[in-house]
Amino acid sequence: DAKTTQPNSMESNEEEPVHLPCNHSTISGTDYIHWYRQLPSQGPEYVIHGLTSNVNNRMASLAIAEDRKSSTLILHRATLRDAAVYYCILRGPYGGSQGNLIFGKGTKLSVKP
Amino acid sequence: NAGVTQTPKFQVLKTGQSMTLQCAQDMNHEYMSWYRQDPGMGLRLIHYSVGAGITDQGEVPNGYNVSRSTTEDFPLRLLSAAPSQTSVYFCASSYSGLGGGNYGYTFGSGTRLTVV
Repeated sequence: DAKTTQPNSMESNEEEPVHLPCNHSTISGTDYIHWYRQLPSQGPEYVIHGLTSNVNNRMASLAIAEDRKSSTLILHRATLRDAAVYYCILRGPYGGSQGNLIFGKGTKLSVKP
Repeated sequence: NAGVTQTPKFQVLKTGQSMTLQCAQDMNHEYMSWYRQDPGMGLRLIHYSVGAGITDQGEVPNGYNVSRSTTEDFPLRLLSAAPSQTSVYFCASSYSGLGGGNYGYTFGSGTRLTVV
C-alpha cells in the first residue's frame, strides 16, 4: 500500500492559517489524496480530497505539488474546534482493497487561544 | 439522511461471550468497512466489503466475522470476546466503482467495547 508521512504534531494560534504537510513520494498516478480529521472522542470526519489540481471546500483547501509527491492541507483560519488529529491517506480508484482507507498516525493539531 | 448508524454506543462483555455490532447506512454506498481504534493509536482495518455478498479481510481480522446480505447493513460479530478486543469500533461507508477514489468515506460515531 502507498504510504504517507506526516509530522506527529503541530501547534497553531487561533484565527491564524494552518498548513499541514503530507509526503507521499510513492503515490501512483491514479491515487487520490484524502484528508480526514478526528476530533477528541469522535469518529473520523472527511475533510477534502483531490487528484492533481488544488481543491477548495467550506472546511479547507488542499494544495497538491506538481509532481504529486506531497500535499498540504490548509485551514485558513484555525478555531479551537479545529484541534484534532489530521490524517492524510491515499485512496486507489478501483474496487477491492485499493479503495480502502489505511490510517497512519496522523498529525495532532493543537490550537492555542 | 441518517448517514452511518452504529449500535450499541457502549457495551461491556465478559470474556468468552459473543456479540454483534450493528452498522447501517442509508446512502446506497457499496463500500463498507470496520475499524478498531485502541487508546492513543490510529484506526486499523478489520474487515471490509465492496458490495452485498462480498467481504474480505483487512489488517486485523482475527476474532471477528462479517457478512453483507444487503447494501445497507454490515454487522461485525465477535465470536468469543477477549480482553484484547477492548477498543472503540468504527464503521464507515463510501461509494465504489471505477471512480471510487473520488469519493470520501462517512464514519459512524463508534461503539466503545470493554471486555472484562
